[in-house]
Amino acid sequence: SQQGEEDPQALSIQEGENATMNCSYKTSINNLQWYRQNSGRGLVHLILIRSNEREKHSGRLRVTLDTSKKSSSLLITASRAADTASYFCATDPNAGGTSYGKLTFGQGTILTVHP
Amino acid sequence: DAGVIQSPRHEVTEMGQEVTLRCKPISGHNSLFWYRQTMMRGLELLIYFNNNVPIDDSGMPEDRFSAKMPNASFSTLKIQPSEPRDSAVYFCASSLGDRVPGANVLTFGAGSRLTVL
Repeated sequence: SQQGEEDPQALSIQEGENATMNCSYKTSINNLQWYRQNSGRGLVHLILIRSNEREKHSGRLRVTLDTSKKSSSLLITASRAADTASYFCATDPNAGGTSYGKLTFGQGTILTVHP
Repeated sequence: DAGVIQSPRHEVTEMGQEVTLRCKPISGHNSLFWYRQTMMRGLELLIYFNNNVPIDDSGMPEDRFSAKMPNASFSTLKIQPSEPRDSAVYFCASSLGDRVPGANVLTFGAGSRLTVL
């Protein structure tokens, strides 16, 4: 079963609006990552937030992490039609030992940005 | 670097045939992962290697699936015999592995879309 669960499953907005996607997970983590997948393509890494961080920014992306609630959110500001894609959260579990980057992915949020 | 390279991009085969998917990771990456993506089950980790050694193959569905990494620049995922329920997109990804503890980022290939008739 998937560690992370995204909410909502699908989001449709107009260009210029902000898009917020949420992710919940179940076990303790080393870090949480967000990836993007365009239709028919592989996943592309967007941003990583470590378990001891609460917020991180990268361009128009803002990620928050609440380890007490085991949840994260991804905010895309001033969205563009080119942001249309599926967005996945992925957790790197803190299971002891060495982490090789074994990530568990959520089901994803399908974002559609209308011009 | 050309990124993670997978082949073939598309494969259509008949039930019972052997399928071999190939992956070339990014040079210098120590860890390699095989994922499968379907609408029903999402992204599932099948197996991963570190320094060419299989670390965890608990996600491999059954004995029909096998994976090898004979050297740092090549890995294969084999399905024999294939079944219609194996139809999916298979992704290979690589990372720096244990060289960057606690902050591994995966670089994915474009995927191999497998259709078993």
